[in-house]
Amino acid sequence: QITLKESGPTLVKPTQTLTLTCTFSGFSFSTNGVGVGWIRQPPGKALEWLALIYWDDDKRYRPSLKSRLTITKDTSKNQVVLRMTNMDPVDTATYYCAHRKGAFDVWGQGTVVTVSS
Amino acid sequence: QSVLTQPPSVSAAPGQKVTISCSGSSSNIANNYVSWYQQLPGTAPKLLIYENDERPSGIPDRFSGSKSGTSATLVITGLQTGDEADYYCATWDTSLSAWVFGGGTKLTVL
Repeated sequence: QITLKESGPTLVKPTQTLTLTCTFSGFSFSTNGVGVGWIRQPPGKALEWLALIYWDDDKRYRPSLKSRLTITKDTSKNQVVLRMTNMDPVDTATYYCAHRKGAFDVWGQGTVVTVSS
Repeated sequence: QSVLTQPPSVSAAPGQKVTISCSGSSSNIANNYVSWYQQLPGTAPKLLIYENDERPSGIPDRFSGSKSGTSATLVITGLQTGDEADYYCATWDTSLSAWVFGGGTKLTVL
């Protein structure tokens, strides 16, 4: 059974860099077509896709945030890391990671990140 | 504004049927698979429908999806109070090279 769990700071200051880790089990990046994505949800608002990394290390980013985002994977640790630079209060949201095989079929519980000085 | 357009809210009585629409364009829905997600209050989204009309194991057949042209539809029959949630459509947008989500629809079971 596939599980994912997000971890990282709950509070970051404006201009700082956010680093979030998604630790997963039940699948591996050795499987063709597998990906892990990051999706966020500001309070009371809709889901917003951020980034996706595939089994072959292909990476995709939300165009409007591409300059601020970096997604990497560590297959030995079963982890995917998302870095977002120059954080702003508008980046306050719940951040989810999700397994993707076709659709985002399994999601983590999410981690709340608040950007405030 | 979301690339995919959903009605902000829908409502119906228990036992009734509700339809949630998702309108897109030729760069997204028309040429890519659509998926639907249910987000119960305070929880993470859950996959309901993938590849336009397929249900993952464990999803009741009260939930069904379809697609025609640049629009997709989620139908929920036999409504239950436990179906009260936000529902999101999603697909890949070829022009944007990005996954896009709809703005979400809040379902109220009266």
